[in-house]
Amino acid sequence: QSVLTQPPSASGTPGLGVTISCSGSSSNIGNNPVNWYQHLPGMAPKLLIYGTNQRPSGVPDRFSGSKSGTSASLAISGLQSDDEADYYCAAWDGSLNGFVFGTGTQVSVL
Amino acid sequence: QVQLQESGPGHVKPAETLSLSCTVSGGSISSYSWSWIRRSPGKGLEWIGSVYYDGSTNYNPSLQSRVTISVDTSKVQFSLKLNSVTAADSAVYYCSRGMPPDYWGQGIPVTVSS
Repeated sequence: QSVLTQPPSASGTPGLGVTISCSGSSSNIGNNPVNWYQHLPGMAPKLLIYGTNQRPSGVPDRFSGSKSGTSASLAISGLQSDDEADYYCAAWDGSLNGFVFGTGTQVSVL
Repeated sequence: QVQLQESGPGHVKPAETLSLSCTVSGGSISSYSWSWIRRSPGKGLEWIGSVYYDGSTNYNPSLQSRVTISVDTSKVQFSLKLNSVTAADSAVYYCSRGMPPDYWGQGIPVTVSS
């Protein structure tokens, strides 16, 4: 059972935006950077956001990350059909001394 | 461009040991940490553990008693051993680089069944 909680699903209209939440605790999100991954079936997960709000080279600025206290968010603007995927937050957990993933959110583009 | 490729059997019998290797190309294995992560059917991503270039390790507490991750710098590989497997260990297994993991292999499906 994951220590990071996400809504199971989210949806949005093409061209508009969607925000995914990730709830944790002081041992993970509260005191460590948050990362976000996009996972398409049959593909390797892709790092979208690291260090809470940094984008790796090649990730469009339509994806942005933030956090407040023990919660974090991933915002996707200008939704495209290619954005349909599972999204996971992840962070180091100091109490578990390990890396934890969120429960995952399936994003649909209506 | 760093590339990672998992290899190993796609089928393991219950109570046996799952053994996978990850070959790294396009970069040095003598730095960074190297991890194994899995995704079981109908479930999310689960970090299994990581090995550092100096051989030190961190494991998921829920798997720690059954897991060994090691690195062989001469072969530019790192490996996963998971013993006493059950059907619950059936998953796609990914190897990855760094913390947070940035480069990932394509994944290798492993089924545990008799």
